[in-house]
Amino acid sequence: ILNVEQSPQSLHVQEGDSTNFTCSFPSSNFYALHWYRWETAKSPEALFVMTLNGDEKKKGRISATLNTKEGYSYLYIKGSQPEDSATYLCAYVYSASKIIFGSGTRLSIRP
Amino acid sequence: NAGVTQTPKFQVLKTGQSMTLQCAQDMNHNSMYWYRQDPGMGLRLIYYSASEGTTDKGEVPNGYNVSRLNKREFSLRLESAAPSQTSVYFCASSERGTSGGQTQYFGPGTRLLVL
Repeated sequence: ILNVEQSPQSLHVQEGDSTNFTCSFPSSNFYALHWYRWETAKSPEALFVMTLNGDEKKKGRISATLNTKEGYSYLYIKGSQPEDSATYLCAYVYSASKIIFGSGTRLSIRP
Repeated sequence: NAGVTQTPKFQVLKTGQSMTLQCAQDMNHNSMYWYRQDPGMGLRLIYYSASEGTTDKGEVPNGYNVSRLNKREFSLRLESAAPSQTSVYFCASSERGTSGGQTQYFGPGTRLLVL
């Protein structure tokens, strides 16, 4: 059974602090790794799609790295702001259109 | 550009009733997906359609059927609803399949309660 683990499950961070969380996935049959941001009462929105070992992606204060050999990806948020409060989902793609989502890391930013 | 739209937004069914969840996208995407989201669990893929005219099972297909009516529309049908199908259902689309590094665009979700 393929499993995608995200840790921690939830995280409370002071505004202005930087933070990071992890997505672990099987290191075999890797096609792609997606990160999504999901705000309450909205739909998931794509942050990054990474396909190559060693990929690093950045969008504003958010960045992500990928290690396909050991099966993990990190998401970093620099200088957290209240609008960063959301659930961050990763998804492991292991064949054409076969995708498994993690259960997410719920991030809360304290003003 | 509406993106991905879903109807209805909310539905209550009795056990054994049937219904169809509708999804449409206006981005000319080839691939479409149906997921369910349950508390404490990630999104789980029910069915997907890699391109018009094709459908395939995902992780949790039992109790569901799908129809890719045309390139724009992908419907999910519950023939005989069960309480275990109480969930939030999301439709998504991507330009091509996810293996090509394509991001998915999600609809607003349909909240289904089966009594």
